[in-house]
Amino acid sequence: DGGITQSPKYLFRKEGQNVTLSCEQNLNHDAMYWYRQDPGQGLRLIYYSQIVNDFQKGDIAEGYSVSREKKESFPLTVTSAQKNPTAFYLCASSNLRTGGITNEKLFFGSGTQLSVL
Amino acid sequence: DAKTTQPNSMESNEEEPVHLPCNHSTISGTDYIHWYRQLPSQGPEYVIHGLTSNVNNRMASLAIAEDRKSSTLILHRATLRDAAVYYCILRVGAGSYQLTFGKGTKLSVIP
Repeated sequence: DGGITQSPKYLFRKEGQNVTLSCEQNLNHDAMYWYRQDPGQGLRLIYYSQIVNDFQKGDIAEGYSVSREKKESFPLTVTSAQKNPTAFYLCASSNLRTGGITNEKLFFGSGTQLSVL
Repeated sequence: DAKTTQPNSMESNEEEPVHLPCNHSTISGTDYIHWYRQLPSQGPEYVIHGLTSNVNNRMASLAIAEDRKSSTLILHRATLRDAAVYYCILRVGAGSYQLTFGKGTKLSVIP
């Protein structure tokens, strides 16, 4: 089945530690996104990538880093500089070629819950 | 992205229609109206989108006001599986990849 796979489902971070969240898609989508969701809140954009080897900062990129070495993969690293990392992290992808940005439909993974020990 | 306003929560009885409102008074002529929903502990899923005309698909209908300053997502027969947070989003017509999700409307379905 085509889709987006995020792993792990739950992740714990120790003080001063970097952790990496995985996001893989087999939908052949060009664009990929990372969002953060705090309890009872909407989604906030961390980073996005439209093509391989290129990515852009979203609204809350500080304390996070990403890479896009392959079309299928867009891992997110939560660095020790992110002082409040506890949140639900969502990865999404979309195919911008079908109708352009205004008709873009995002497909989301099932998320990773990150907590601090 | 332009701002949308939705009620925080709504309730519906099972098997009855649900009308979820969204106000977007600052919408511009090229902004598309998108709806997503998020089930508990899941990522959001696309529901429907439109520009000016009313739209129907297998999940829902989207009714857009003539002045485009408001829209309504219609679930024709609510089921327990429709209990979710529904997000109304404006997709800017040019250049923006920053799809902004507000707090949405939490829909509860009563058996």
